[in-house]
Amino acid sequence: QITLRESGPTLVKPTQTLTLTCTFSGFSLSTSGVGVGWIRQPPGKALEWLALIYWDEDKRYSPSLKTRLTITEATSKNQVVLTMTNMDPVDTATYYCAHLTLEYDVLTASYRGPFDYFDYWGQGILVTVSS
Amino acid sequence: EIVMTQSPATLFVSPGERATLSCRASQSVSSKLAWYQQKPGQAPRLLIYGASTRATGIPARFSGSGSGTEFTLTISSLQSEDFALYYCQQYNNWPLFGQGTKLEIK
Repeated sequence: QITLRESGPTLVKPTQTLTLTCTFSGFSLSTSGVGVGWIRQPPGKALEWLALIYWDEDKRYSPSLKTRLTITEATSKNQVVLTMTNMDPVDTATYYCAHLTLEYDVLTASYRGPFDYFDYWGQGILVTVSS
Repeated sequence: EIVMTQSPATLFVSPGERATLSCRASQSVSSKLAWYQQKPGQAPRLLIYGASTRATGIPARFSGSGSGTEFTLTISSLQSEDFALYYCQQYNNWPLFGQGTKLEIK
């Protein structure tokens, strides 16, 4: 059974750096094709993808936010950490982490990607940016 | 840059009736399109991937169709638990979600 859970501060001040941790179980980020992503959702608004990290340590970032984001795998190997610098009130949102598995193409013996759908999601953590 | 447009923003349908939700991509995303359902205070739940494949445990009343730039999510006979927000997401390029369609009771 795959589960993910987000943790971190629920209140940060403008200009501060946000650090969120995704703790997961039921899968390994060492398994080929597996990835963990971060997605956020401002109150009453749509979902926005932020970052992805894959089993092979490949990392992908939203083009609009890449200068502010860093995604890493924690040494415990069942955690993924997202940092976002220079937080602003517009970054107030529920932040989700989610699991994905890249589809394997048997004809080419490689994984299709580098992006895919998210099949398991954490419950989310609401982060408010306010002084 | 791809833009995902969902319509309508709000859809009013009576229980037991059919609901048809649309998602349009500004350029082709092939069949790399997923649909999610989100209820208040909950995380999104995957319904459909590959434009038409139901995710594990999703009832058969949910179906997806389309390819290229035009996609449809159909709920054949609405149940009370189906009234929620629905998002499409393309993954042909970096993941991009539509603005959502809110399905409300008529």
